[in-house]
Amino acid sequence: AQSVAQPEDQVNVAEGNPLTVKCTYSVSGNPYLFWYVQYPNRGLQFLLKYITGDNLVKGSYGFEAEFNKSQTSFHLKKPSALVSDSALYFCAVRDPDNYGQNFVFGPGTRLSVLP
Amino acid sequence: ETGVTQSPTHLIKTRGQQVTLRCSSQSGHNTVSWYQQALGQGPQFIFQYYREEENGRGNFPPRFSGLQFPNYSSELNVNALELDDSALYLCASSLEGAAEAFFGQGTRLTVV
Repeated sequence: AQSVAQPEDQVNVAEGNPLTVKCTYSVSGNPYLFWYVQYPNRGLQFLLKYITGDNLVKGSYGFEAEFNKSQTSFHLKKPSALVSDSALYFCAVRDPDNYGQNFVFGPGTRLSVLP
Repeated sequence: ETGVTQSPTHLIKTRGQQVTLRCSSQSGHNTVSWYQQALGQGPQFIFQYYREEENGRGNFPPRFSGLQFPNYSSELNVNALELDDSALYLCASSLEGAAEAFFGQGTRLTVV
């Protein structure tokens, strides 16, 4: 069975500093990996995905994520955080060989960027 | 903002009642999925529809059912509502074969 862990419930970072939101996964085969962001009273917004190829994936709003197969991790990063980045971030995995089973999400990490 | 729209945005129901939530998928997207997001948790997969047929289901009881229409819009129906059904219900649409999905803003259901 697939699972996603986000070991930190909350991440606090000062504006202008780099940020990292951690994600590890457990899945058989080669998964598709995703990051979504959720603002208050809103749905999920797609940030980026890893399918294959370069381990460093660039996405929306200056975010990027690094895929590490040996550590089964897919950490989200941004070189310089903005106050407007404060939101709930979800890591998700999808089995490309089982399309009908869709996304498995982690529990979420709340990011607070302090001015 | 994505082109996925959900209605209503908020809903209050009494335990034992039935509810129908609606979703219009992004233009051209023929696959629609529904998720339940309880407070403080990540979204949980309920089921997926492709070309009007259910083609995947998560660990939800049969009182959770759905439909997809020829224009790819979708409904989620929940019978015999329980207090634990209180959650944000998210609809997502995607193109056939695409990896990512695009989510609507959700319907906040409160069961009292």
